[in-house]
Amino acid sequence: SSELTQDPAVSVALGQTVRITCQGDSLRSYFASWYQQKPGQAPLLVIFGQNSRPSGIPDRFSGSSSGNTASLTITGAQAEDEADYYCNSRDISGNHLGLFGTGTKVTVL
Amino acid sequence: EVQLVESGGGLVQPGGSLRLSCAASGFGFSVYEMNWVRQAPGKGLEWVSYISESGTTIYYADSVKGRFTISRDNAKNSLYLQMNNLRAEDTGVYYCAREVVVSGIDAWGQGTLVTVSS
Repeated sequence: SSELTQDPAVSVALGQTVRITCQGDSLRSYFASWYQQKPGQAPLLVIFGQNSRPSGIPDRFSGSSSGNTASLTITGAQAEDEADYYCNSRDISGNHLGLFGTGTKVTVL
Repeated sequence: EVQLVESGGGLVQPGGSLRLSCAASGFGFSVYEMNWVRQAPGKGLEWVSYISESGTTIYYADSVKGRFTISRDNAKNSLYLQMNNLRAEDTGVYYCAREVVVSGIDAWGQGTLVTVSS
C-alpha cells in the first residue's frame, strides 16, 4: 500500500495520555515524522526519526515504531495540544516524502 | 530565523495558470531540498512536488504530473511552482516546505491560497 492510515479522531482527558497511530507499508523501511496543525496555522514538526523532538517541543511528545505502524504519544495532554496531527514518511521508493497520513483530530476534554 | 514566505495565490478559472513563489531567508537555501505541499479546504495534507538542492532531481504527485512544474533559483533564494491547466480539485492552501534528511520537513511557510473556480 502507498498510503498512511490514521484514525480520524481521538479524545483525551486533560492530563491523561493519548496515542495516535499511523499504518503503512513504507513504515517498515522508513521512520515517520509527526506534525501538529492548529486551525489557520501551518503544520509544526513535533517528532522525527526514531524518537527525536525539535528544539522547543515539550517532552510530553514521544514517538515509536513497530513493523508497519508508527505512533505518537502525548503523555499528560494539555489544552494546547488540541489539534490535527499528521504522520509523514518517504514513499516506498524512498525518493521523496510523498506520503502524508490521513490525519487525526485530537480533542482534549 | 528561518523564514519561508509564499506568494502568488489567488482566484483563477478552470484551465487557467498561476505561478507560486516562495522566498526563503535565514538559512542557506541552496543546500536544502524543498517541497510544495497543499491542503484542500477542510482536508488533510497532500504532497505536491519535490526538488533537490541543485534542481537536478524533481518528483511530482501523480495528481499534478504534466500540469505543474517546480523550479528554484538559488541565487535569489526562491522556490517556484508553475501551475497550468488548473482544476477545481487544485483548490487549497499551498505550502513551501524545507526538507532535511534526518528530520524530514522541518520548516513550513504560512501558505498561499489558490482558488480554482468559474
